[in-house]
Amino acid sequence: DGGITQSPKYLFRKEGQNVTLSCEQNLNHDAMYWYRQDPGQGLRLIYYSQIVNDFQKGDIAEGYSVSREKKESFPLTVTSAQKNPTAFYLCASSYKGVQPQHFGDGTRLSIL
Amino acid sequence: AQSVTQPDIHITVSEGASLELRCNYSYGATPYLFWYVQSPGQGLQLLLKYFSGDTLVQGIKGFEAEFKRSQSSFNLRKPSVHWSDAAEYFCAVGPQGQAGTALIFGKGTTLSVSS
Repeated sequence: DGGITQSPKYLFRKEGQNVTLSCEQNLNHDAMYWYRQDPGQGLRLIYYSQIVNDFQKGDIAEGYSVSREKKESFPLTVTSAQKNPTAFYLCASSYKGVQPQHFGDGTRLSIL
Repeated sequence: AQSVTQPDIHITVSEGASLELRCNYSYGATPYLFWYVQSPGQGLQLLLKYFSGDTLVQGIKGFEAEFKRSQSSFNLRKPSVHWSDAAEYFCAVGPQGQAGTALIFGKGTTLSVSS
């Protein structure tokens, strides 16, 4: 079945460490998105990409980086510059245009 | 500024009772509208969407929503709630006709179902 796979499900970061969250989709979607979810805050957009080798900052991009070298993959790196990285991270994808987004099951990142 | 407001943070409904979750949006033009549901520790699942046409849209799991342009609202309804409907619900909007633009989400409404 087609879908979005996020890994790992749980991730722990040490002080000063960069960590990378994986997101892979086999839906042949053009656009991919990263959201951060905190309790009571809803979903906040970190980065999104409409095509390969292109991406745009969302509302809270500081301390994060992404790449889009393949259509299927959109990894998110949480850098040491992100001082409050503890959150639930969701990856999504969609066809071009404003279409319903399909979501992965998320990665929960915590600080050691 | 573009925004989505879900006025109710938490709602408790008895099993078998009807449900209405409110969603209001602020947008420059008629947007595309969505409702998603999230179970704990999971991703979001699309319940229904409104792009154009009939303002009453049917979704999965027996949910429906009505678009009211004059009130800038897109409220979600279900005639009879089941215990499995307990989850967090998100309303989202997106601009018509723009390629690949991300959605704006409300902060969510948590639904509890009592027996």
